[in-house]
Amino acid sequence: EDQVTQSPEALRLQEGESSSLNCSYTVSGLRGLFWYRQDPGKGPEFLFTLYSAGEEKEKERLKATLTKKESFLHITAPKPEDSATYLCAVRPGGSQGNLIFGKGTKLSVKP
Amino acid sequence: NAGVTQTPKFQVLKTGQSMTLQCAQDMNHEYMSWYRQDPGMGLRLIHYSVGAGITDQGEVPNGYNVSRSTTEDFPLRLLSAAPSQTSVYFCASSYSRPGLAGRYEQYFGPGTRLTVT
Repeated sequence: EDQVTQSPEALRLQEGESSSLNCSYTVSGLRGLFWYRQDPGKGPEFLFTLYSAGEEKEKERLKATLTKKESFLHITAPKPEDSATYLCAVRPGGSQGNLIFGKGTKLSVKP
Repeated sequence: NAGVTQTPKFQVLKTGQSMTLQCAQDMNHEYMSWYRQDPGMGLRLIHYSVGAGITDQGEVPNGYNVSRSTTEDFPLRLLSAAPSQTSVYFCASSYSRPGLAGRYEQYFGPGTRLTVT
């Protein structure tokens, strides 16, 4: 069964304190791993797509990496405006576009 | 581009009432989908479509109907609302044609918050 597990469920950081969010997955024939950011009361906002093990992508203070079993979202020197829920999703092989989402990690960054 | 738009933003229904949640996109995406988001459950797929005239069921389709008569629009119908359908509903769209260098990222609308009493 295709499955996505994110950890931790919640993470509280001080401003400037770097950390990582984990997304582990089991999927038949990965055709893409996606990271989204979701602010309260809003729809998920696309951040990154990773397609193969070893791939990395960066955007401002965020860096996403991918292995054959998991992905990490590294946050370097976070700011309060990075506070949000971060969602991970996978697109299985044979999928016509459907994504399987994890339950998310709620990040709080205190000044 | 407006991206993905959804209406209404908020809705309160009584048990047994019916309604349609509207979704439209202006990116010429072939793939469109509906998710519901509940606390502690994550996003779950209700129905999806890979093009006009083609729809299929997702993980939690019971109680919902969809149709896709145009590329742009993908409405979600609740036939007889139940309290278990209280949730936040998101519409999303993406490319699905091969040969687009993997541009399959889905773009989400702002959501409809539905309460069924």
